[in-house]
Amino acid sequence: GEDVEQSLFLSVREGDSSVINCTYTDSSSTYLYWYKQEPGAGLQLLTYIFSNMDMKQDQRLTVLLNKKDKHLSLRIADTQTGDSAIYFCAENMGGGNKLTFGTGTQLKVEL
Amino acid sequence: GAVVSQHPSWVICKSGTSVKIECRSLDFQATTMFWYRQFPKQSLMLMATSNEGSKATYEQGVEKDKFLINHASLTLSTLTVTSAHPEDSSFYICSARYDRGNQPQHFGDGTRLSIL
Repeated sequence: GEDVEQSLFLSVREGDSSVINCTYTDSSSTYLYWYKQEPGAGLQLLTYIFSNMDMKQDQRLTVLLNKKDKHLSLRIADTQTGDSAIYFCAENMGGGNKLTFGTGTQLKVEL
Repeated sequence: GAVVSQHPSWVICKSGTSVKIECRSLDFQATTMFWYRQFPKQSLMLMATSNEGSKATYEQGVEKDKFLINHASLTLSTLTVTSAHPEDSSFYICSARYDRGNQPQHFGDGTRLSIL
């Protein structure tokens, strides 16, 4: 389909790892992004990966990209209560300026 | 770095009022700014793309006479919702990007618009 798909909801315990998955649509996207949205706020850029990379690590965040399957994931190590938010993946379809966002995954971190 | 300020953060007004929302890039020059709309528990929907000094490009289904966009400088874009009605109530978010290299979009904190 046309949509960038994500699971709606993920619940983890504090200290565990979280893995948020995304299936994107356009193999010609050159960059894939992960954004975080807290309630009532805008989007915070977490990280992004160039399409010719398989993995990118940035402190607690690890992005994995499977270009063949058009699958992107975000792993958050040692998840904290402050990580509770909605996470959006996004792709720049056709390698252009505009972003197409995923449906968003709500991450809930429990004590 | 890469801070985008959006103002106001919340507006409540009567039906028929026009509302202006500002989006500023504070520490970089934004050659391109984007305006999105977000409904509760949904993803972002791109409304329009604006480049400094030129007319905005609207997405299909977005009324350009209803949502007026001005990108008069490299640090400021405005969205005016003209003659707003309750169905225009939504969360509006802007983003800004410097079009050199592979710069990502940086987002403002959004404006919650409630039309009574």
